[in-house]
Amino acid sequence: SQQGEEDPQALSIQEGENATMNCSYKTSINNLQWYRQNSGRGLVHLILIRSNEREKHSGRLRVTLDTSKKSSSLLITASRAADTASYFCATDVAGYGGSQGNLIFGKGTKLSVKP
Amino acid sequence: AAGVIQSPRHLIKEKRETATLKCYPIPRHDTVYWYQQGPGQDPQFLISFYEKMQSDKGSIPDRFSAQQFSDYHSELNMSSLELGDSALYFCASQVGITSGQLYNEQFFGPGTRLTVL
Repeated sequence: SQQGEEDPQALSIQEGENATMNCSYKTSINNLQWYRQNSGRGLVHLILIRSNEREKHSGRLRVTLDTSKKSSSLLITASRAADTASYFCATDVAGYGGSQGNLIFGKGTKLSVKP
Repeated sequence: AAGVIQSPRHLIKEKRETATLKCYPIPRHDTVYWYQQGPGQDPQFLISFYEKMQSDKGSIPDRFSAQQFSDYHSELNMSSLELGDSALYFCASQVGITSGQLYNEQFFGPGTRLTVL
């Protein structure tokens, strides 16, 4: 079954506003990673947060992780038109003996930032 | 900085033909993953290799096979292609256990867009 679910599925905001995307997952994880994908292009790694971390920052990005609620959020502050893309969360599921390794992706949030 | 290289970037094949996709991981990365992303879908894990051995298998059809070579590059071989195989195929590389730290980032290549006619 799908590990990650993201909401909203689509988000449309004005330049300069903040964008918040949420991700929920079902099983124990080692880490959660956020990726960005422009239409039909490659996946760009944004940030990794490990299961023992609660918050991480990278530039205009802020990621939180709540393992008790099995959820994560990605906040993009002061958004720009160039931030328009799909954003995916992906979980590295904890398995017997450690990481299963492969990532399980959420359905993604399609962000549109209007100039 | 060097990134993951995939070739070809675009591939058009007829039904029942075969295709080979190549992936060159970031230098010193010992783990390679293959993912398939259908139109409007999220990426789905196919298969992975660590130190040239298959480490995990996902939803990879029996018609597909893959291997990792001594120089760590990987190839995904697809036979008896079907229309439903049309998708973006991504390779991702990761520095694994040899880095001394587990559960590292996976860095994705630009993908190969396969179209089956």
